[in-house]
Amino acid sequence: QVQLQESGPGLVKPSQTLSLTCTVSGGSISSGDYYWSWIRQPPGKGLEWIGYIYYSGSTYYNPSLKSRVTISVDTSKNQFSLKLSSVTAADTAVYYCARATRTYYDYVWGSYHSVYFDYWGQGTLVTVSS
Amino acid sequence: QSVLTQPPSVSAAPGQKVTISCSGSSSNIGNNYVSWYQQLPGTAPKLLIYDNNKRPSGIPDRFSGSKSGTSATLGITGLQTGDEADYYCGTWDSSLGGVFGGGTKLTVL
Repeated sequence: QVQLQESGPGLVKPSQTLSLTCTVSGGSISSGDYYWSWIRQPPGKGLEWIGYIYYSGSTYYNPSLKSRVTISVDTSKNQFSLKLSSVTAADTAVYYCARATRTYYDYVWGSYHSVYFDYWGQGTLVTVSS
Repeated sequence: QSVLTQPPSVSAAPGQKVTISCSGSSSNIGNNYVSWYQQLPGTAPKLLIYDNNKRPSGIPDRFSGSKSGTSATLGITGLQTGDEADYYCGTWDSSLGGVFGGGTKLTVL
């Protein structure tokens, strides 16, 4: 059974960089079958996809966060990480790491992406405050 | 404002059926597969439906999904009090990447 666990500071000062790590157990990040994702949820609000990374290091980011986000992977530790720079109170949220399955279907009548998140960490609350 | 539109809340009595809608556009739902997630209070989201209508192992067949054009629907039959949760739809958008609906709070009366 795959398990994901977030870790990192729960309090970050405004203008600083938020750093979180996700440790994966029960499966290898290097298997190549999945994308490793970060998703966040502000208190009382909905889900926001931040981005994901493939084991090779290829990344895909939410355009609205792209200038401030870096996702990296350490296959030797079976971990991937999130850095979000220049944080403000609006970045206060529960941050989840999740495993994504991403498949591209090319039919005669059209092409379709399938992206879904099948395993999630328990989430970690990060508060941005001085 | 979420890219995908869901009703803020729905309600129904135990044993009844409820549907939750998710509306998008040709850049997301119209040309990609939809997934649905259940988030019980204080917990992480859980995958309920993927590829529009497929259930992961362990998800009861009381939960179903469908898609038509640029909209998708989650159906739940035989409602139980334990189904009270927030439900989110998700998909891929050709410009924005991963996108979710704003969430629907299900109340079992």
